[in-house]
Amino acid sequence: GGIITQTPKFLIGQEGQKLTLKCQQNFNHDTMYWYRQDSGKGLRLIYYSITENDLQKGDLSEGYDASREKKSSFSLTVTSAQKNEMAVFLCASSIGGNTEVFFGKGTRLTVV
Amino acid sequence: QQKVQQSPESLIVPEGGMASLNCTFSDRNSQYFWWYRQHSGEGPKALMSIFSNGDKKEGRFTAHLNKASLYVSLHIKDSQPSDSALYFCAVSMRYGGSGNKLIFGTGTLLSVKP
Repeated sequence: GGIITQTPKFLIGQEGQKLTLKCQQNFNHDTMYWYRQDSGKGLRLIYYSITENDLQKGDLSEGYDASREKKSSFSLTVTSAQKNEMAVFLCASSIGGNTEVFFGKGTRLTVV
Repeated sequence: QQKVQQSPESLIVPEGGMASLNCTFSDRNSQYFWWYRQHSGEGPKALMSIFSNGDKKEGRFTAHLNKASLYVSLHIKDSQPSDSALYFCAVSMRYGGSGNKLIFGTGTLLSVKP
């Protein structure tokens, strides 16, 4: 089996600060995703990537940048942290878009 | 833009009872449908998939899909306290040449009371 590792587990930043969340997977999956989950609610897609150096915007990409420099890693940057985007950010991967998606345990973002 | 709605928002069932979760989607080009389960403090984990109209049974779990009605459901028979979790419906569809993307529903919080 494989694992998805997200770092850090908890991230505290100041309003307006640029913050980066990292994700590594050892499944050798092609597709990776970033989702945002607000307070035990549904998951909203921020960015996804179908291969190394590919980036596709999700429905919530405004205010975020992403980078997929290696197949195994996918990072997300919050360009200017706001208090209304305190949430859990979940990284995920899959072989392709129609197959099972595996999730990491999340990074909880707090903005002070 | 695909919209995936789930009902009810929360559900309480007695241990041994039947839990029924509903999901509607808006895009008729939707192709693949999944149910995910998330326990507190964890990431979601896939429970089962359904790709064709009709029923699919896996143990105590039965998924039902009706693409014409834009509807998918999950039924949990003989519910156990360990089934208490947040359940998501997820819909996958192809967008042009950009691969498939997976859109999650709003979630149903299931509590199974002993």
